[in-house]
Amino acid sequence: DAGVTQSPTHLIKTRGQQVTLRCSPKSGHDTVSWYQQALGQGPQFIFQYYEEEERQRGNFPDRFSGHQFPNYSSELNVNALLLGDSALYLCASSAAGQGGWSNQPQHFGDGTRLSIL
Amino acid sequence: LAKTTQPISMDSYEGQEVNITCSHNNIATNDYITWYQQFPSQGPRFIIQGYKTKVTNEVASLFIPADRKSSTLSLPRVSLSDTAVYYCLVGGTYGGATNKLIFGTGTLLAVQP
Repeated sequence: DAGVTQSPTHLIKTRGQQVTLRCSPKSGHDTVSWYQQALGQGPQFIFQYYEEEERQRGNFPDRFSGHQFPNYSSELNVNALLLGDSALYLCASSAAGQGGWSNQPQHFGDGTRLSIL
Repeated sequence: LAKTTQPISMDSYEGQEVNITCSHNNIATNDYITWYQQFPSQGPRFIIQGYKTKVTNEVASLFIPADRKSSTLSLPRVSLSDTAVYYCLVGGTYGGATNKLIFGTGTLLAVQP
């Protein structure tokens, strides 16, 4: 049973470029969340997708956008890259509840290391 | 969302039991408490989750007092491979979508021989 998979594992870009990161959720999961983790910091929530819609968003500018596909996989797009966007980008998936309460934990991939030169 | 407070770092020796305590004074009624472990250049790995009292699995135990304002992760007989950052988080799932996780800086556990 494959867990959360992310691609690519490493990426180098220059300032002003655009980047797309990809995530396949764990089998049976339908919710995907994205996090940014700077060196030495805890992960910071970017946004979450469920039923192909952005459901929640953290304190990130509009340069960060995403998409969820019918097969629950997801993409994170970042435009006009800045040096400060250098970080480990993590994808987490979970199974949504059936309209009520659920305590399903999020499972993380190993991330994409993005370096901006 | 509830904010959590945990020690920045802890030291231990192989074979010892390690207890990491987390404070979450503003935890909401519907929030669960979840602990993750993270190694360098890897994603956080789910360890254990609980709502109240005690939860135990094959790798750890989680103790939650009645007021739920704190929790303690207990790692029995740690080894060198348990050296990692441990995160305590509170949150829940409402109406279908999983709530976002707010990470603090975590606790860096260093296990020595």
